[in-house]
Amino acid sequence: DQQVKQNSPSLSVQEGRISILNCDYTNSMFDYFLWYKKYPAEGPTFLISISSIKDKNEDGRFTVFLNKSAKHLSLHIVPSQPGDSAVYFCAATTITGGGNKLTFGTGTQLKVEL
Amino acid sequence: DAGVIQSPRHEVTEMGQEVTLRCKPISGHNSLFWYRQTMMRGLELLIYFNNNVPIDDSGMPEDRFSAKMPNASFSTLKIQPSEPRDSAVYFCASSLVESTIYFGEGSWLTVV
Repeated sequence: DQQVKQNSPSLSVQEGRISILNCDYTNSMFDYFLWYKKYPAEGPTFLISISSIKDKNEDGRFTVFLNKSAKHLSLHIVPSQPGDSAVYFCAATTITGGGNKLTFGTGTQLKVEL
Repeated sequence: DAGVIQSPRHEVTEMGQEVTLRCKPISGHNSLFWYRQTMMRGLELLIYFNNNVPIDDSGMPEDRFSAKMPNASFSTLKIQPSEPRDSAVYFCASSLVESTIYFGEGSWLTVV
């Protein structure tokens, strides 16, 4: 039972355009959401996060949007660059639960083409 | 700064053999996690420790899997006996409680 779902296994975007990666969750107890980026043969690295008290968080070219009523979040990358090509994992946790146990989605492979 | 260190990076073993994966967390971190990555299920949490104590092992798939953390700087994940369906990338990660989780580079396991 996947509590965090990334329904698009892959996405291809042209350099300079916007990349939008989507994530849905089912557990209403989740109150903190993260995006991790993974290059081949490396471990995932933290990219950006958002608390459930916000609906948007921005860091440079990366913006995460949260729609709690729809249990949906998205990561926008603009403008997309070839170095952004990687697998992006959405993750969720319950901060009020006192821990940092993350539940991950299955990932979306982003390819940014020249 | 040394990150999370995992060994071996690659392991190929025959079905039925014991496999031991090792992890050295970032110094000072008090939470340690073992994750498994597969195409079908993405990153699954197997077990995590706080201050060397196992807190949640509900993700451990079967009794064939066991994990230990004898001290703050070392953890092992053991599979005995191994099966082909255990083939995956196993990640160790560490953090301070309620802080960013840092992953190692993974151990690629192939069971033939």
